Amino acid sequence: QQQVKQSPQSLIVQKGGISIINCAYENTAFDYFPWYQQFPGKGPALLIAIRPDVSEKKEGRFTISFNKSAKQFSLHIMDSQPGDSATYFCAASKGGGSTLGRLYFGRGTQLTVWP
Amino acid sequence: DTAVSQTPKYLVTQMGNDKSIKCEQNLGHDTMYWYKQDSKKFLKIMFSYNNKELIINETVPNRFSPKSPDKAHLNLHINSLELGDSAVYFCASSDSRTGFGEQYFGPGTRLTVT
Repeated sequence: QQQVKQSPQSLIVQKGGISIINCAYENTAFDYFPWYQQFPGKGPALLIAIRPDVSEKKEGRFTISFNKSAKQFSLHIMDSQPGDSATYFCAASKGGGSTLGRLYFGRGTQLTVWP
Repeated sequence: DTAVSQTPKYLVTQMGNDKSIKCEQNLGHDTMYWYKQDSKKFLKIMFSYNNKELIINETVPNRFSPKSPDKAHLNLHINSLELGDSAVYFCASSDSRTGFGEQYFGPGTRLTVT
């Protein structure tokens, strides 16, 4: 059972455009929602994260929008650049208990930004 | 200064062999993980150790055995390798004091079983 559902599977965007990746979850116990970025041949790296007490977090060109009632969150990449071409994973976690340290990942979105 | 390192980076072996992958982190973290990433890029958690204690043990064949000699090291031993074990294996670490969702990944080990 996929705890975090991510779409689209792949995304092609023109340079300078906006890239939007969406994720949805069911478990209301989740309290941390990170996005990871993975370049070919590298390990995933934390890009930006949000907690459910805020609806938006912005870091440079990257913004997370969070809708607690809809149990959805999304990553927006403004002014997309060819260097942003990578696989993006959304994830969710909850602290404590037997699931200590457990991250539930979405299936990933392959983003290609054309110059 | 590599934060999370893995050896080897590439591993090519035949079915039925036994192999090990080593992982070390110099971040002072107390929690370490093994993930398997398949050809479709799906990241699946295999094991998690907190202060050398096994915390997460997903439904992984018992041919896979993790070992944590200390908080900075988490090794993965695989017995009787099968074709389906071919994947990229990532080690990761996190600090339970600052949040388990912030994980630092190693560069991965690409395992190819022929």
